[in-house]
Amino acid sequence: TQLLEQSPQFLSIQEGENLTVYCNSSSVFSSLQWYRQEPGEGPVLLVTVVTGGEVKKLKRLTFQFGDARKDSSLHITAAQPGDTGLYLCAGERRNFGNEKLTFGTGTRLTIIP
Amino acid sequence: GAVVSQHPSWVICKSGTSVKIECRSLDFQATTMFWYRQFPKQSLMLMATSNEGSKATYEQGVEKDKFLINHASLTLSTLTVTSAHPEDSSFYICSARGYRGIVTEAFFGQGTRLTVV
Repeated sequence: TQLLEQSPQFLSIQEGENLTVYCNSSSVFSSLQWYRQEPGEGPVLLVTVVTGGEVKKLKRLTFQFGDARKDSSLHITAAQPGDTGLYLCAGERRNFGNEKLTFGTGTRLTIIP
Repeated sequence: GAVVSQHPSWVICKSGTSVKIECRSLDFQATTMFWYRQFPKQSLMLMATSNEGSKATYEQGVEKDKFLINHASLTLSTLTVTSAHPEDSSFYICSARGYRGIVTEAFFGQGTRLTVV
């Protein structure tokens, strides 16, 4: 059972456009992380959000954690070809001594020059 | 950011042989290491969690006798795929986790592409 559903699964847009990726769950997470993965490489951490309603910005990327800490979104403004990749959200449910990340289904983003 | 090194980055082996993959945290002590498997165009699937000096905890459906995990120190974990078969071909990724501030953050290795022929 996949606890974290990402949408859309695939997205292909023109350079300069804006986009939003969603990460939804029925479970509450103590924190949520977003990663970007290039083909043949491991995921690279972009951001961690901890507090319900928290918003973090990383240049053209804006991350938001839902108030109930069940969902998150990633918004990219003025997308560039370098943003192309697989975006993964991952939720942590803190269970002392047994913390682990549950990964979302992934969003494959392609930015067309 | 923290660095996690995984080796080898790719390996081809014959069916029936064993393959060892190493995962090292280079600039922090990893309280926990995780091993994932990723099929093409899919997300990461957690295989097992290991803490230094103790036995790994395997996820449901993962054969612990086939995927041997050793976590000998706070900076090194190994995954050995024993008696590999073509269906074991996959992208294996390790993750090392340590405390930074109030939350633990996980950093990933570069991944190992295993092909069993």
